[in-house]
Amino acid sequence: EPEVTQTPSHQVTQMGQEVILRCVPISNHLYFYWYRQILGQKVEFLVSFYNNEISEKSEIFDDQFSVERPDGSNFTLKIRSTKLEDSAMYFCASFGTGPDSGPEQYFGPGTRLTVT
Amino acid sequence: GNSVTQMEGPVTLSEEAFLTINCTYTATGYPSLFWYVQYPGEGLQLLLKATKADDKGSNKGFEATYRKETTSFHLEKGSVQVSDSAVYFCALSEYTDKLIFGTGTRLQVFP
Repeated sequence: EPEVTQTPSHQVTQMGQEVILRCVPISNHLYFYWYRQILGQKVEFLVSFYNNEISEKSEIFDDQFSVERPDGSNFTLKIRSTKLEDSAMYFCASFGTGPDSGPEQYFGPGTRLTVT
Repeated sequence: GNSVTQMEGPVTLSEEAFLTINCTYTATGYPSLFWYVQYPGEGLQLLLKATKADDKGSNKGFEATYRKETTSFHLEKGSVQVSDSAVYFCALSEYTDKLIFGTGTRLQVFP
């Protein structure tokens, strides 16, 4: 079964450093998303992406965040200058609209980001 | 805007007990509804889904029915096991839009 993959599984960085979280969505999906989950809390939407553009972003997704699809397979989330409060699990998801696609988004296993 | 409300946890049950986790939603359109499960230290797994009113989603003994009249999607299981201990998230989305999650309900099942 096709799956979404994310790398790295765990990233530790110092406050103020830039991090790039990587995702490989399911190959024929066209809609991509990032969510985050602060430890023990709810899953929050960050951004959605379609046709090389941001479709929607939340209030969390400020100027420190950016997303990119640098090639035909990867989808990245960049945090320019990390803060302690950026420590969370970051999930990538993708959605397909083909005839075999269901209504659900497919989630990757997540990247745990720890900012020290 | 759209929203999801779940019952507060934790829910603590003995093995083989009946489980209900309540979920209600607010939506302007016709969303699909989902239950996701998160086992300790792991990611999100889709447990079940329903796309329209009166649909019943089911998987691994869990069931939930899309009730438009009560705007609810309660999760039920007739006999829980210790291995069902996890956090359960109710969620909705409208086609390609973002998923909106509830706050999650922790289930603890004791032998």
